[in-house]
Amino acid sequence: QKEVEQDPGPLSVPEGAIVSLNCTYSNSAFQYFMWYRQYSRKGPELLMYTYSSGNKEDGRFTAQVDKSSKYISLFIRDSQPSDSATYLCAFLKAAGNKLTFGGGTRVLVKP
Amino acid sequence: DTEVTQTPKHLVMGMTNKKSLKCEQHMGHRAMYWYKQKAKKPPELMFVYSYEKLSINESVPSRFSPECPNSSLLNLHLHALQPEDSALYLCASSQESGGINIQYFGAGTRLSVL
Repeated sequence: QKEVEQDPGPLSVPEGAIVSLNCTYSNSAFQYFMWYRQYSRKGPELLMYTYSSGNKEDGRFTAQVDKSSKYISLFIRDSQPSDSATYLCAFLKAAGNKLTFGGGTRVLVKP
Repeated sequence: DTEVTQTPKHLVMGMTNKKSLKCEQHMGHRAMYWYKQKAKKPPELMFVYSYEKLSINESVPSRFSPECPNSSLLNLHLHALQPEDSALYLCASSQESGGINIQYFGAGTRLSVL
């Protein structure tokens, strides 16, 4: 079983729709949860990080963590064509510096 | 400012060439990383420097040689590469001291080995 599972997509939505992304993980030692956005041929850009169960909101983005279910989500409201990218979930152990990535979900927002 | 700068953006090299990739950050971060990313795959960790000392080498072939001249700079020296080494090479940095080691990535160097 992989430590992190993430649907590769592609996930295609119309402009203005809510994009819902998620990852499941199996390692209880993961304490920090991140979402990166990566445009084609560019480096990953940190969108959000959190370390506790619950929701964290930043503009159109909401990150959700459920440690009991080992499940994290990212929601993008009012999606725009510029949100078309690959979204990577990533996990970090306490005091560690080795990121464990999901495989990435490709998102297409159609005008 | 969360900027990590990588040069060059693109590099084409033959299998007998020697070249170097460069990375720079001015966020005061004390950990720096090299990753390799193939198409449609997540980044794979290669090396970690912590306080200018190599702390992790993920069994990377010796044709890749990292160097950390100071806390702001990270180099990756390349020699006798193979075509399968063609990939996007990413540099990242993180705080390292006490807090969460959230990593910030550069835009990458796209390497083609002919």
